[in-house]
Amino acid sequence: EPEVTQTPSHQVTQMGQEVILRCVPISNHLYFYWYRQILGQKVEFLVSFYNNEISEKSEIFDDQFSVERPDGSNFTLKIRSTKLEDSAMYFCASSAEPLEQYFGPGTRLTVT
Amino acid sequence: AQSVAQPEDQVNVAEGNPLTVKCTYSVSGNPYLFWYVQYPNRGLQFLLKYITGDNLVKGSYGFEAEFNKSQTSFHLKKPSALVSDSALYFCAVRDGGFGNEKLTFGTGTRLTIIP
Repeated sequence: EPEVTQTPSHQVTQMGQEVILRCVPISNHLYFYWYRQILGQKVEFLVSFYNNEISEKSEIFDDQFSVERPDGSNFTLKIRSTKLEDSAMYFCASSAEPLEQYFGPGTRLTVT
Repeated sequence: AQSVAQPEDQVNVAEGNPLTVKCTYSVSGNPYLFWYVQYPNRGLQFLLKYITGDNLVKGSYGFEAEFNKSQTSFHLKKPSALVSDSALYFCAVRDGGFGNEKLTFGTGTRLTIIP
């Protein structure tokens, strides 16, 4: 069964550094998403991406964040200058239509 | 605005008994409702959805959920619990209006099945 994959599984970075989180969505899916879950809190929407552009973003997704689909398979989330409060589990998801979304296993980002 | 409430942080059920995990929602338009399950060190796995049609929807692993518009609820159920059902369960809602794709999740309910 096709799955969303994410790399790395755990990323440790220093405050102020740039990080790129990578995702490979399910191959025939057209809609892509990033969510995050701060430890002990609920899963929060960050951004959705369709047809090579952002279709929706939350107030969390400020100028420090960007997304890109650099080729036909990868979908990336970049945080330009990480803050301590960016420490969270980041989930990528994809869907064939804007209905049920299929999630990857997540990348745990730790900012020190 | 859209929101989800899962009133129980923890639900304990004896193996073989029926289980219910509660969820209520709020959206301004038509609700699209989802249940996801999360096992330790895994991502969110899709269980089932309600978009339209029959109020009782069936999903993976023998789970079902009932959409109740008047009570704005979408409770997850299973007739006979298995120990392997122990996990963290999330209810999510999306406003069915065009251009809105984000899922809003509840805080999750930890389900423990006692052998």
